Amino acid sequence: GQNIDQPTEMTATEGAIVQINCTYQTSGFNGLFWYQQHAGEAPTFLSYNVLDGLEEKGRFSSFLSRSKGYSYLLLKELQMKDSASYLCAVTDSNYQLIWGAGTKLIIKP
Amino acid sequence: GAVVSQHPSWVICKSGTSVKIECRSLDFQATTMFWYRQFPKQSLMLMATSNEGSKATYEQGVEKDKFLINHASLTLSTLTVTSAHPEDSSFYICSAKRQGDYNEQFFGPGTRLTVL
Repeated sequence: GQNIDQPTEMTATEGAIVQINCTYQTSGFNGLFWYQQHAGEAPTFLSYNVLDGLEEKGRFSSFLSRSKGYSYLLLKELQMKDSASYLCAVTDSNYQLIWGAGTKLIIKP
Repeated sequence: GAVVSQHPSWVICKSGTSVKIECRSLDFQATTMFWYRQFPKQSLMLMATSNEGSKATYEQGVEKDKFLINHASLTLSTLTVTSAHPEDSSFYICSAKRQGDYNEQFFGPGTRLTVL
């Protein structure tokens, strides 16, 4: 079956750095997405990785290792507004998006 | 670009009534649209995939006669919750893929449905 694993919840301190991991097992791979979702709102796009390596975009970076079926989202200089759920999603060989359950990130002052 | 809108943003209805939710791609043509449901503190659950001009493909466990999906044009898909019951209360989110784009989905802002 297809499976995406990410931690259920993480806690971090304002100003610090946090890394949210995602491992996947899917039938084929055509890219990995990270989305941010605040409570009561729809997901918003953060990043897309299809090749191995690190993609940096401001305070957020996303890493992919296709051989390991592994990705992480790195958030630097955490702000209170970063408190949200972070969803990892993989596009399989049929270009269907397979979703992880999401990681709820709690930022403390 | 790539903006998706949903209407209404929230709706309260009585049990037994039907509710229609619209999903529009405002500045692009969407060959494929997706409908998700999300219960509190849970992740997105794909309900169905809708291709313009053809019947929707429903995920296992989703009643196609209860959740009617119409994708009549390249910019509009509708989800009708028929004979709604309190257990249908949820956050309904649509997303759309641009014509020629095989990957990214652009999300609407969601519709909060409360059935009394």
